[in-house]
Amino acid sequence: KNEVEQSPQNLTAQEGEFITINCSYSVGISALHWLQQHPGGGIVSLFMLSSGKKKHGRLIATINIQEKHSSLHITASHPRDSAVYICAVETQGGSEKLVFGKGMKLTVNP
Amino acid sequence: DSGVTQTPKHLITATGQRVTLRCSPRSGDLSVYWYQQSLDQGLQFLIQYYNGEERAKGNILERFSAQQFPDLHSELNLSSLELGDSALYFCASSVSGVGKLFFGSGTQLSVL
Repeated sequence: KNEVEQSPQNLTAQEGEFITINCSYSVGISALHWLQQHPGGGIVSLFMLSSGKKKHGRLIATINIQEKHSSLHITASHPRDSAVYICAVETQGGSEKLVFGKGMKLTVNP
Repeated sequence: DSGVTQTPKHLITATGQRVTLRCSPRSGDLSVYWYQQSLDQGLQFLIQYYNGEERAKGNILERFSAQQFPDLHSELNLSSLELGDSALYFCASSVSGVGKLFFGSGTQLSVL
């Protein structure tokens, strides 16, 4: 079993829909990252969070440390949100290694 | 633009060869990370350098090595290349420890 699991693996939505991407992890963590990878391959860091909730534009990320779960929400989705969304965790114990989920491919149709 | 520069963007080589991938971090960032992304394994952490010193090691093969120079740029050396080494190699940087990461555009390595 992977230490970081993402669901769903693929999602197709219509423009304007509210989208939720889930990430569950099985290890103790010091922080969790949400990354976005566009079809061209480039990776952008969206959020880094260790508790609570963060918001940036139409994106909202939440984390529940007790339940070992994080969600990334996209409001009013747009075709330009089409990308792979990757969850990654920093494990506890002073390690600065990131452990990555497999990613979720989102396609938003106009 | 993340401010992290990786060269080359594409590299095609043959099995058994050796290649060097280069990464220049954002100005002021002391940490450099190397990651490998393959279709079957996804993203995997390889190695981290902080201000010239190796800080953490991940799933890096013995055939691979890296270093960070005094000007903070880093190089990842891949030797005795195998077909399975074909992947996208990313470099990322951060100010110190693993805070927000800034990724380069990656080097696509094809081993034929």
